[in-house]
Amino acid sequence: DTGVSQNPRHKITKRGQNVTFRCDPISEHNRLYWYRQTLGQGPEFLTYFQNEAQLEKSRLLSDRFSAERPKGSFSTLEIQRTEQGDSAMYLCASSLGDAGFYGYTFGSGTRLTVV
Amino acid sequence: AQSVTQPDIHITVSEGASLELRCNYSYGATPYLFWYVQSPGQGLQLLLKYFSGDTLVQGIKGFEAEFKRSQSSFNLRKPSVHWSDAAEYFCAVGKTGANNLFFGTGTRLTVIP
Repeated sequence: DTGVSQNPRHKITKRGQNVTFRCDPISEHNRLYWYRQTLGQGPEFLTYFQNEAQLEKSRLLSDRFSAERPKGSFSTLEIQRTEQGDSAMYLCASSLGDAGFYGYTFGSGTRLTVV
Repeated sequence: AQSVTQPDIHITVSEGASLELRCNYSYGATPYLFWYVQSPGQGLQLLLKYFSGDTLVQGIKGFEAEFKRSQSSFNLRKPSVHWSDAAEYFCAVGKTGANNLFFGTGTRLTVIP
């Protein structure tokens, strides 16, 4: 069990640029989640995958955000035309099954700074 | 609607002292409850969880939490705090069949020597 891996750890980008983050979940976990955490706040749910299917998206996930999980393995989160308000820690988590029962294993996150 | 309240934004305790972090939840169904810890610049680590049975739950690093349905609370406790416990602590709630957990805003713990 190598845990949940996220890359990059830090990303600084200029406003208007596109960015992409990657998450590699624990291999046995078929469920994958993306959360966003801003300073002084708890994590906020963005989206959820079961295998390769994206089953739920939060209202926080605007049209500029897209997430994929091809083949049900790693996942990517892309933000197009970044804005300063996108600056946050983006957390990926995975679970073996029902999150309400199993809870999550989180990665270390990708911290995005939009300048 | 689900919500989680952590009334204490910041708590300072002396090393060796006892600790209690408060968490109150609002949930229509029987909740599953979690405590996570986050060190600076890191992801969240699961400390413990409650989903049924004994209302006193033991976790890692010497932490425990007690579920009190009548008070809608799930407070985290530790009898003797270590300097390495300084971190941000998050309470979260979920339910069977839910696709996500709801997190509180966190309590930052400072430990002084």
